[in-house]
Amino acid sequence: EAQVTQNPRYLITVTGKKLTVTCSQNMNHEYMSWYRQDPGLGLRQIYYSMNVEVTDKGDVPEGYKVSRKEKRNFPLILESPSPNQTSLYFCASSLLQGDEQYFGPGTRLTVT
Amino acid sequence: KQEVTQIPAALSVPEGENLVLNCSFTDSAIYNLQWFRQDPGKGLTSLLLIQSSQREQTSGRLNASLDKSSGRSTLYIAASQPGDSATYLCAVNNAGNMLTFGGGTRLMVKP
Repeated sequence: EAQVTQNPRYLITVTGKKLTVTCSQNMNHEYMSWYRQDPGLGLRQIYYSMNVEVTDKGDVPEGYKVSRKEKRNFPLILESPSPNQTSLYFCASSLLQGDEQYFGPGTRLTVT
Repeated sequence: KQEVTQIPAALSVPEGENLVLNCSFTDSAIYNLQWFRQDPGKGLTSLLLIQSSQREQTSGRLNASLDKSSGRSTLYIAASQPGDSATYLCAVNNAGNMLTFGGGTRLMVKP
């Protein structure tokens, strides 16, 4: 089944403890991106990647890192999480830049 | 900077009604526009994608139209059902790198 998967689905952590949220797609898509969804602010893009080793900042990249060493994986790294990064995170992918985007199931992160 | 607005923010209708959800955007230089459905606590499901050169797209009971010059898109849902209850999100793709989302319309279809 063609899909975008994220792990973990739920995570509660403490301020400053490094964490990684994984994202994987099995559709051989070149384009992948990360969004966060917050009440009243909607969905906003954090980072995107147009291909392996090519990444760039979205609207709200502060406090996040990404890497794209393989085509199928696009992990989101929080080096030192803070409470304002408590949010619902979505990974998305598309065949090429500008194509229809497919979203993962989301990761609900709480930072205390 | 692109801004996307969806009206109404919430809508409650009886089962069987035809309904229209509205989406407006400020920058008409778009690649495409995508409509999504989001169920509570769940991910986004892509419903329809309209390329900038298209005027409308249809999928089952759903029809989406696009008027680039006026910065508007509508999602028409025919013969609504309780299973259609969800939040509907409109997203505009400008530079091909990022989707700009509207705030969503929360739809409730009552049996």
